[in-house]
Amino acid sequence: DVKVTQSSRYLVKRTGEKVFLECVQDMDHENMFWYRQDPGLGLRLIYFSYDVKMKEKGDIPEGYSVSREKKERFSLILESASTNQTSMYLCASSTYRLRNEQFFGPGTRLTVL
Amino acid sequence: GDSVTQMEGPVTLSEEAFLTINCTYTATGYPSLFWYVQYPGEGLQLLLKATKADDKGSNKGFEATYRKETTSFHLEKGSVQVSDSAVYFCALTRYGNKLVFGAGTILRVKS
Repeated sequence: DVKVTQSSRYLVKRTGEKVFLECVQDMDHENMFWYRQDPGLGLRLIYFSYDVKMKEKGDIPEGYSVSREKKERFSLILESASTNQTSMYLCASSTYRLRNEQFFGPGTRLTVL
Repeated sequence: GDSVTQMEGPVTLSEEAFLTINCTYTATGYPSLFWYVQYPGEGLQLLLKATKADDKGSNKGFEATYRKETTSFHLEKGSVQVSDSAVYFCALTRYGNKLVFGAGTILRVKS
């Protein structure tokens, strides 16, 4: 089974802190994604990566950056957390070998105070 | 740009009732269509998919048919169970990579 893990299920940070959210997948997938999930808005794509050291902006990249130094790991960085970044963050991965079906991690619920 | 519209919830049904969750989309060309499900406290799982017009996706008693003439992909199940209580997301992709999601529909099934 494909497994996508995220470093924390719940995280509480203060405004202005630098926040790292880590995502690891164990199936050698080329593509990795970061979404945020908010009630009534569904999932919105923040950033994605289709290869090591490659990244593409999604629909809402402002206030976020990403890092992909290894194929299995994709990090989301909030340089200076703000209260409007309080949300559920979901990581996903996919491969062309499986027709790009996306496999999701359990999510990290981030609260910024 | 591409978009997906789902019926607003929550949808509350009794066990064994018939379920329909409406989904319509806007996209040029021929997108692939998906239904994902999110059970409480978990990430999203692919429920079913269809990659071309008139395809029917099915899984766990759920079905959805890709209707290009009405740009729809409605989710149906003949008899819901309490364990089907979850959030259901309709989604599309045109390039086989980025997914565009609807807002999600909460389903609550009462025994």
